Amino acid sequence: DIVMTQSPDSLAVSLGERATINCKSSQSVLYSSNNKNYLAWYQQKPGQPPKLLIYWASTRESGVPDRFSGSGSGTDFTLTISSLQAEDVAVYYCQQYYSTLSITFGQGTRLEIK
Amino acid sequence: EVQLVESGGGLVQPGRSLRLSCAASGFTFDDYAMHWVRQAPGKGLEWVSGISWNSGSIGYADSVKGRFTISRDNAKNSLYLQMNSLRAEDTALYYCAKGWSLVVDYYFDYWGQGTLVTVSS
Repeated sequence: DIVMTQSPDSLAVSLGERATINCKSSQSVLYSSNNKNYLAWYQQKPGQPPKLLIYWASTRESGVPDRFSGSGSGTDFTLTISSLQAEDVAVYYCQQYYSTLSITFGQGTRLEIK
Repeated sequence: EVQLVESGGGLVQPGRSLRLSCAASGFTFDDYAMHWVRQAPGKGLEWVSGISWNSGSIGYADSVKGRFTISRDNAKNSLYLQMNSLRAEDTALYYCAKGWSLVVDYYFDYWGQGTLVTVSS
C-alpha cells in the first residue's frame, strides 16, 4: 500500500494569513502515461462528511474558493490556503488514488485559528 | 442534487454480522464506481472498499479483506456492505461515497452523512 504522511498534524494560523499543509507519498503517484498526479485533498468540518477540494493534485473542485490551491508532483504535495478565513477551520486530508484497488488517505491535519 | 443516504448501522456484538445500505439519487448510479469509507471516533479517514460501475472490479482494505463484502444493485440505485466477524476495531462512522468515474481508482466527489456502527459486548 502507498502510505500518505501529512505534516504538520496540526497548525494554528492567524486570520488572513497563509496556511500550508504538506502531504508525502511513499511512492510516486504520478502516472506517466497521462502526466497526472493521482492525489486529492478533502476538507472535513466538525460533524460533517468530507468535502472534495482539489483533485489531480491541483484542480480545484467547482465552487471551492480560489484561496485554496494545490501543488506538487510525484511524492510531495502541498495544500495552500492563501488567506485564512474563519470558515476554513477543519481537518484536511490528502488521498492517493494511484494504486489499483487500494486507496489511502493521510492521517489528517487539523487547522485552527491563532 | 446528488444524495447518498446510508442506513443499517447500530450496536452489534463482536463476531456478529451487519449489513449497511446506501440509497443513491440525483445521478445515473450505474455510471459511477461507489465506495465505503469509515472513520473511527476521533480518528482519520480509512477507505474500506470500492466497486466499479458493473461490479466487475472490487477492492478492499487489508483490514477488512475476507470479512466484508461490497455489492451494488444498479436497478435499485443502492450500494451495500456486508460486514461479518465484526471486531471492536470496526467501530466507526461508515460513509458511502460516489467515485468520479466508472472505475474504482479515482477520487470521491460526493459523500453521505454516514451511519454509525458500534461493535461492543
